[in-house]
Amino acid sequence: SQQGEEDPQALSIQEGENATMNCSYKTSINNLQWYRQNSGRGLVHLILIRSNEREKHSGRLRVTLDTSKKSSSLLITASRAADTASYFCATDARGSQGNLIFGKGTKLSVKP
Amino acid sequence: DAGVTQSPTHLIKTRGQHVTLRCSPISGHKSVSWYQQVLGQGPQFIFQYYEKEERGRGNFPDRFSARQFPNYSSELNVNALLLGDSALYLCASSQRGLETQYFGPGTRLLVL
Repeated sequence: SQQGEEDPQALSIQEGENATMNCSYKTSINNLQWYRQNSGRGLVHLILIRSNEREKHSGRLRVTLDTSKKSSSLLITASRAADTASYFCATDARGSQGNLIFGKGTKLSVKP
Repeated sequence: DAGVTQSPTHLIKTRGQHVTLRCSPISGHKSVSWYQQVLGQGPQFIFQYYEKEERGRGNFPDRFSARQFPNYSSELNVNALLLGDSALYLCASSQRGLETQYFGPGTRLLVL
């Protein structure tokens, strides 16, 4: 079963705009990770945020985590056409020993 | 440094056949996990191995089995293939399985 639910399912924006994707999950977690997937290929790790962290930045990426609401958001600033991909959140639930549980993903389309 | 490698990249089988998928982790990583991703969904956890021992198993039938070798590479075996086994099979490696997992490009399996 899938723990995470990304919202929206699909997002279409223009180059230069910001893209925000949200993720909700159900159980207590050790950490939450965001991955990108291009055209059904392998997943590329973007960022990991631990349960005791509230915000993390990496380049044009900003991730927030609210454990009280069991939710996270991924912000991509100044988007580029190359950011077009599916984005997944994955949770490492407490007691799971590192088994990641993924949501269904947000399909982002950035138009030049 | 080489990333996670998987073979073969594509595979076509018929119902009832058996398939073996292979994965080589990043050098120095001792944990390998397997995920199944059907079209339009997020990856679902199948197995995790650490130091050649099974550490976790997802909700998959006994037709699915795996093992890890002394060099930390891994095989996923699926017996008595069903049409529903058609999917992208992803392998991920990490140092101990409890932190960031790095994914390979996947093996796309089509069962006819």
